[in-house]
Amino acid sequence: GAVVSQHPSWVICKSGTSVKIECRSLDFQATTMFWYRQFPKQSLMLMATSNEGSKATYEQGVEKDKFLINHASLTLSTLTVTSAHPEDSSFYICSAPTTGHKETQYFGPGTRLLVL
Amino acid sequence: AQSVTQPDIHITVSEGASLELRCNYSYGATPYLFWYVQSPGQGLQLLLKYFSGDTLVQGIKGFEAEFKRSQSSFNLRKPSVHWSDAAEYFCAVGPKGYQKVTFGTGTKLQVIP
Repeated sequence: GAVVSQHPSWVICKSGTSVKIECRSLDFQATTMFWYRQFPKQSLMLMATSNEGSKATYEQGVEKDKFLINHASLTLSTLTVTSAHPEDSSFYICSAPTTGHKETQYFGPGTRLLVL
Repeated sequence: AQSVTQPDIHITVSEGASLELRCNYSYGATPYLFWYVQSPGQGLQLLLKYFSGDTLVQGIKGFEAEFKRSQSSFNLRKPSVHWSDAAEYFCAVGPKGYQKVTFGTGTKLQVIP
């Protein structure tokens, strides 16, 4: 079946550096992708909607200059955490809905970010 | 605003026993409801969804869920749990399709021999 991949699966970085996370739809095209953040023992919180060929739509309270999203192609969206701080440490998950009569949504396996 | 409540943070059941995971939602219109399962190292997998029609929905892996509008509930059930069902389960609600889905806080299922 359709798969969504994320890279890297985990990353450790120093405070102040930037980290890029990739989300790829492997065998289908996704004009829209979603980025979520999951804190330990908490739910997934939608951060933003990534739109191919246009600007991302951010949820209330999410800093767009901090979490840069680029949807460069129909199979790739990237989330860049700029000037990362320890409070940005979290589990980031992307998802991509399919279209058509078998509409569904596939989630990536997630990227664990630890900022020291 | 839409919201989802999963009152049970953690549930332990014996293998072979029946399972029911509770989910209550708040949504201003006709809800689209989902149950997802998350296993360590893997992405969320859709177990089943309810958009309309029959209120008893069958999903993968032997799971089913029943939509009860009067109770604003969408509980997940399985008649006989297998050890491989140990995972975290999320209930979610949203508008049509898969846009702007709101997730509950999840229920972690432990299966004991």
